Amino acid sequence: DTGVSQDPRHKITKRGQNVTFRCDPISEHNRLYWYRQTLGQGPEFLTYFQNEAQLEKSRLLSDRFSAERPKGSFSTLEIQRTEQGDSAMYLCASSSGVSNQPQHFGDGTRLSIL
Amino acid sequence: AQSVSQHNHHVILSEAASLELGCNYSYGGTVNLFWYVQYPGQHLQLLLKYFSGDPLVKGIKGFEAEFIKSKFSFNLRKPSVQWSDTAEYFCAVNVIYLGTSYGKLTFGQGTILTVHP
Repeated sequence: DTGVSQDPRHKITKRGQNVTFRCDPISEHNRLYWYRQTLGQGPEFLTYFQNEAQLEKSRLLSDRFSAERPKGSFSTLEIQRTEQGDSAMYLCASSSGVSNQPQHFGDGTRLSIL
Repeated sequence: AQSVSQHNHHVILSEAASLELGCNYSYGGTVNLFWYVQYPGQHLQLLLKYFSGDPLVKGIKGFEAEFIKSKFSFNLRKPSVQWSDTAEYFCAVNVIYLGTSYGKLTFGQGTILTVHP
């Protein structure tokens, strides 16, 4: 079972730098989600794609954040001009387009801002 | 906006004890409900889900949950826990609007379960 794959697993960067994360969903899944999780909290929704279309964005997704899914397969999440408050675990999940199917999560990318 | 509340941040039990973790949500319409589990060092895994029908749902590893619509609750239970159940448990909700599931999950803050052998 090839699950949801995220790369890198860990990213350490200096404040002000740009970072990009990649997510490869389960191959037959056309829905892809990004969440952010900070210590002691549950995941918080960031954005959602159906195929290549970005259908919803949270208010948490400031102008410094951009997500793409250009061919409806893998997705990237870029954070520009990183800030201390961006330190978190970034989770990707995917699901099939069939109604009422659960989301499958990847291992996440842990971002640490120095 | 909907929210999910989990009653306990940290629960400590001995093996063979019974478990109940509380979850309440705030949305008056139709929802799908989930419990996810995160074992140490692993990704979130689906434990069980409720979409419709019988409000008592059974999941993996002997877990079950009961949906009580009048109480907006979806509590997780297990009659006898094992050391291997040590993990963090998350309740999550997504909203059904006009028959369509809008994919976004809203999670509770999680409950850490520690089971002593």
